[in-house]
Amino acid sequence: AAGVIQSPRHLIKEKRETATLKCYPIPRHDTVYWYQQGPGQDPQFLISFYEKMQSDKGSIPDRFSAQQFSDYHSELNMSSLELGDSALYFCASSLSVQGLGELFFGEGSRLTVL
Amino acid sequence: GDSVTQMEGPVTLSEEAFLTINCTYTATGYPSLFWYVQYPGEGLQLLLKATKADDKGSNKGFEATYRKETTSFHLEKGSVQVSDSAVYFCALSDRVNFGNEKLTFGTGTRLTIIP
Repeated sequence: AAGVIQSPRHLIKEKRETATLKCYPIPRHDTVYWYQQGPGQDPQFLISFYEKMQSDKGSIPDRFSAQQFSDYHSELNMSSLELGDSALYFCASSLSVQGLGELFFGEGSRLTVL
Repeated sequence: GDSVTQMEGPVTLSEEAFLTINCTYTATGYPSLFWYVQYPGEGLQLLLKATKADDKGSNKGFEATYRKETTSFHLEKGSVQVSDSAVYFCALSDRVNFGNEKLTFGTGTRLTIIP
């Protein structure tokens, strides 16, 4: 079965650079979520999109932005990178009509800021 | 706001031992409850879930019962294996509106099983 695809899997950037992460949800899923997981931490919710509109916003820095495109894939753009942005970034998708709150996660994109 | 309090780790057990990882929650509505597992270097995988009070979720020998009276969702397994070594996250989803089912996670419990 198709799963959530994230790219790139690994990314190394310098401070103050920009990074873009991509997420391809499970086909027919209408909601995408982004999470950030620091070393040894629990995943923290950043932002979500339902039917290409932002549906909720969590602890996402102003330097970050995200959007969901017409084909439902999503991109997380991170600018002016800081050392503290080094983390594992997860994308998850769900089919909202199910109403069960079950999210399917990708394998994550590991960002290292030097 | 919603929160999940999870038993702190790390937890180290011998193979075939009984496992309990405690999880309690605070939510304003009627959340769905989940246990996710994260193996080293991998993403989060749904282990089991329960969507209403008294539901029991089960998978791969793991069980958890949604207890509304104690606001708990403790994870149990009767006989653990080395392959169960991973980080376990308790989570809730308190659906606020359509298309918004974000999960709130506990801090995770690292489980190590020794042969």
